[in-house]
Parts: sequence; C-alpha cells; structure tokens
Amino acid sequence: DSGVTQTPKHLITATGQRVTLRCSPRSGDLSVYWYQQSLDQGLQFLIHYYNGEERAKGNILERFSAQQFPDLHSELNLSSLELGDSALYFCASSVGPMGGNEQYFGPGTRLTVT
Amino acid sequence: AQTVTQSQPEMSVQEAETVTLSCTYDTSESDYYLFWYKQPPSRQMILVIRQEAYKQQNATENRFSVNFQKAAKSFSLKISDSQLGDAAMYFCAYRRGNRDDKIIFGKGTRLHILP
Repeated sequence: DSGVTQTPKHLITATGQRVTLRCSPRSGDLSVYWYQQSLDQGLQFLIHYYNGEERAKGNILERFSAQQFPDLHSELNLSSLELGDSALYFCASSVGPMGGNEQYFGPGTRLTVT
Repeated sequence: AQTVTQSQPEMSVQEAETVTLSCTYDTSESDYYLFWYKQPPSRQMILVIRQEAYKQQNATENRFSVNFQKAAKSFSLKISDSQLGDAAMYFCAYRRGNRDDKIIFGKGTRLHILP
C-alpha cells in the first residue's frame, strides 16, 4: 500500500458524459501528478500540481481539467467523454519541491467509456 | 525532449533462471534518475529499483540489479532466480533530477515466467 488513495476504482460511463476522479496523496506530500495509461499511448503524464498550484502540463486534452484543493487532495475532471478516453488513470504523490523525491502511485481508476 | 525506449515487447524466462530486460534513453541532462517499475495484473505500479545518474555503482535490490551504462545511455534490468511472482509488465522510466518533475515511461516489456 503506497498511501495514495484513488476513487472510484472503476467507472463506466457513456460517451459525452463528464466524470470526476479523485486522488488523496500520502500524508505530508504536497505534489500530485496525474498519468493516463492507455493501450495505444502507454503511460503518459497529464498534469502536475504542487501545494494547490499547477506546475506543469503534459499531453492533457482541453476537455480535461484538474485542481488541487487546500487539503491537498486532487480531482481530475474529464468531460465530453469519447471512447478513446477509456484508460487507467493514475495519481502519484511526492513530497516536492526538490528533486530526488520518490513518486508513490495510487491503485488507479479504470475508466470505461461505452 | 527526453525519450525512453524498450525494444522488447515481450520476454519469457524459465523459473529460477536469469533474465535481462533492455532499456535505452535519450537526454541532454546530466542530472537525472532512472527507474524500473513493475505492473502486475493488479495494475498497481510498483517501484522495483532506481538509479541516480551521478552514481557510478549499479543499483541492486535483492534479486534485481541494473547495468547502468551512462555513456551509452543504456539501463538494463537483471532479474536473478526468476519467480512466478515476477510475471508482470516492466516499465523503464526517466525523471530529470534536481527538481520535482514528471516521470517519462517506456512502452513496457511483458515478462512471462515459465514453470
């Protein structure tokens, strides 16, 4: 158990819908990263938040957005869902902000868009 | 841009034997970290081993060791005395050092353990 929690574990929804994925980092960790794992794209970085502020963006679609709240949990919002958004979404946390800190991965949320 | 390449989509090894998974990377940075992650059928991402680029000594964790060739930008993982529980997807990964940064993953190598 990494100490990072993600809810829900599984999510099945229809095209065009909107969903919210939730991540709670390890106690004391200020950085949260979101990654998407799909069959065709592999594991890709989406976005990074540190202490409530966006720090970096990767290959994140405009239909996707995220935020980190004052209690440090983070939410990834996916809207106007398409079949291709079906993937495993991981959240990872680290102490931040200096390098060398380990990223601890949550168990992931499996999203299926039908 | 940094890239990580795993040229072996799948590999098989007999139980108790040794197997080596290959990885090459490309970066212009001098300070970075390299990792091997294991993803079993449960889909959990598990850190197997990590290597700091400034360290010449190869990292070792029990049955897992790496061969880090900095000049060649090569980072292979050796698993000794393979066990059935080692069957998983293995990802080679890179992260720039000296900062809080994203991890860049290779496409992965699926490892099968033959009883």
